[in-house]
Amino acid sequence: DIQMTQSPSSLSASVGDRVTFTCRASQSIGSYLNWYQQKPGKAPKLLIYAASSLQSGVPSRFSGSGSGTDFTLTVSSLQPEDFATYYCQQSYSTPRTFGQGTKLEIK
Amino acid sequence: EVQLVQSGAEVKKPGESLKISCKTSGYSFTNYWIGWVRQMPGKGLEWMGIFYPGDSDTRYSPSFRGQVTISVDKSISTAYLQWSSLKTSDTAMYYCAREATTSRQQLDYWGQGTLVTVSS
Repeated sequence: DIQMTQSPSSLSASVGDRVTFTCRASQSIGSYLNWYQQKPGKAPKLLIYAASSLQSGVPSRFSGSGSGTDFTLTVSSLQPEDFATYYCQQSYSTPRTFGQGTKLEIK
Repeated sequence: EVQLVQSGAEVKKPGESLKISCKTSGYSFTNYWIGWVRQMPGKGLEWMGIFYPGDSDTRYSPSFRGQVTISVDKSISTAYLQWSSLKTSDTAMYYCAREATTSRQQLDYWGQGTLVTVSS
């Protein structure tokens, strides 16, 4: 199985900050990397697919980059509604696997 | 509009069986993989498996193979997740999600979740 490792596990930031989340795969997955946002009590929501493609309806302050084994999700200017947990997921092979998540908290 | 609507919360005892559902609409059910994701209380997302209604191809995570069964009823565009003998450790929120066929098989639409509580 491909292991996905996210860092950090938690992050404190303020409204307006630029933040970056990191995700590393245990083997090369090309661009088969997706990012999801989950708020408490809600289902996850797709933000970024194919490493850098913005899902329809997602604000342009979210962006993704990377290929192979190392990937990043960046939020250019945090808004109050962005405080949530973020997960990466590889869809290169089955079993698909998620990272353990990064919880973004308000500083 | 694509929608995935899951069945309601369940409270069961250890050893009981359970089948939860995910009714889909707004797209061609047989042309997309549909999967299940577990989230234990306070924990992260775990991919359980996916099913392709077009040919009944099923892929399970090794962690869940033999523990659950994924099935569908194509006539009503509904997917199911089933347990034959629940354990307390099955207590979790379970989400169904559609896997996109274009691009990178991302989970583009999700159900609202079904909370399963197993307690004696």
